[in-house]
Amino acid sequence: EAGVAQSPRYKIIEKRQSVAFWCNPISGHATLYWYQQILGQGPKLLIQFQNNGVVDDSQLPKDRFSAERLKGVDSTLKIQPAKLEDSAVYLCASSLVSWAEAFFGQGTRLTVV
Amino acid sequence: DQQVKQNSPSLSVQEGRISILNCDYTNSMFDYFLWYKKYPAEGPTFLISISSIKDKNEDGRFTVFLNKSAKHLSLHIVPSQPGDSAVYFCAASGRAGGTSYGKLTFGQGTILTVHP
Repeated sequence: EAGVAQSPRYKIIEKRQSVAFWCNPISGHATLYWYQQILGQGPKLLIQFQNNGVVDDSQLPKDRFSAERLKGVDSTLKIQPAKLEDSAVYLCASSLVSWAEAFFGQGTRLTVV
Repeated sequence: DQQVKQNSPSLSVQEGRISILNCDYTNSMFDYFLWYKKYPAEGPTFLISISSIKDKNEDGRFTVFLNKSAKHLSLHIVPSQPGDSAVYFCAASGRAGGTSYGKLTFGQGTILTVHP
């Protein structure tokens, strides 16, 4: 079974630039999550999708972050404009149903300089 | 507001001995708990879980204990192996119908080092 695919693996941008991350979940997984993991901390949920609908985006900084999940499969997370404090690993995860164990991708390490 | 806390940033044990990783939570609506393991440059990998209706769940060398009254859970690894060296995260999810249902709240992680 193929795992959760994310790209790119690494990205370095200057502050105020924009950046986008892509995620392809495990086939058949209805629930997709984006997490932000700052160095030394646990992952923090940014947004949760059920199929292509948003279940929870209460911790997403909506003035600069946006996410979409087209056709209930792939998802993109965008930051525009980026700030220094956005430097983190962005993890995508998926699960068969929302209460099941989530499977994580390798993450995208973002450095904002 | 840190609802899930892992108060030990690191733990070092000898190969063959027991590793005990601890986790405390504050939200009484949490009723499903998980442990994830993370190697460098990889995403977290699910390890073991426990529902609040149980106080123990075992899977090979890994056992998770839940003490609901103390809002505390622990992960025991016996015997510990060098390949177990990783960051361990505990996570919690809430009951159906609650605001934390189906969402994982993670602790800060504990770095486990198993020495040969």
